Amino acid sequence: SQQGEEDPQALSIQEGENATMNCSYKTSINNLQWYRQNSGRGLVHLILIRSNEREKHSGRLRVTLDTSKKSSSLLITASRAADTASYFCATNTGGGNKLTFGTGTQLKVEL
Amino acid sequence: GAVVSQHPSRVICKSGTSVKIECRSLDFQATTMFWYRQFPKKSLMLMATSNEGSKATYEQGVEKDKFLINHASLTLSTLTVTSAHPEDSSFYICSAHRGLGSQETQYFGPGTRLLVL
Repeated sequence: SQQGEEDPQALSIQEGENATMNCSYKTSINNLQWYRQNSGRGLVHLILIRSNEREKHSGRLRVTLDTSKKSSSLLITASRAADTASYFCATNTGGGNKLTFGTGTQLKVEL
Repeated sequence: GAVVSQHPSRVICKSGTSVKIECRSLDFQATTMFWYRQFPKKSLMLMATSNEGSKATYEQGVEKDKFLINHASLTLSTLTVTSAHPEDSSFYICSAHRGLGSQETQYFGPGTRLLVL
């Protein structure tokens, strides 16, 4: 079953703007991960944030985690056309390292 | 970085035939591999967890006799779609987990697009 829900479902911005995507989940987690998927391709791991962490940075990516609200956000700063893709959050709740994916946000960055 | 390959990348088959998809971890040993299914513009649905040398664990609603999984070595898992039907047409993605702890990430293959006519 899908644990995560993401919003917005679709986001269209201009190059140079920031993009923020949100993910909510239902049960306690070990960690939360964000992935990117270009159309018709596999997933690329972006960042992992552990349940005891609140914020993490990687290049132009900033991820926050609020376990009290069971939510996470992914911020992409200074977006580029090449950032156009679908972004998924995935939660790891233990129990064999399984990941449960959110519904995804389709990001389109226009020139 | 860790690389996972899938073969074939695309396959078209006739209804009633079986199709085998391979998932390989190229530069690391994967203690666990996972198989997902993705419909167009939808999220990934976990189908099963494959552990080397043991039977796969299937998610609720996934027919184990329909989707046969074999994890013969620490670098190879196969998914066989038996007696394929048009509704089995989908994008199948595997991932490989490296390490023993839950803090390790999964590395995903590029996916296999199956079209059943």
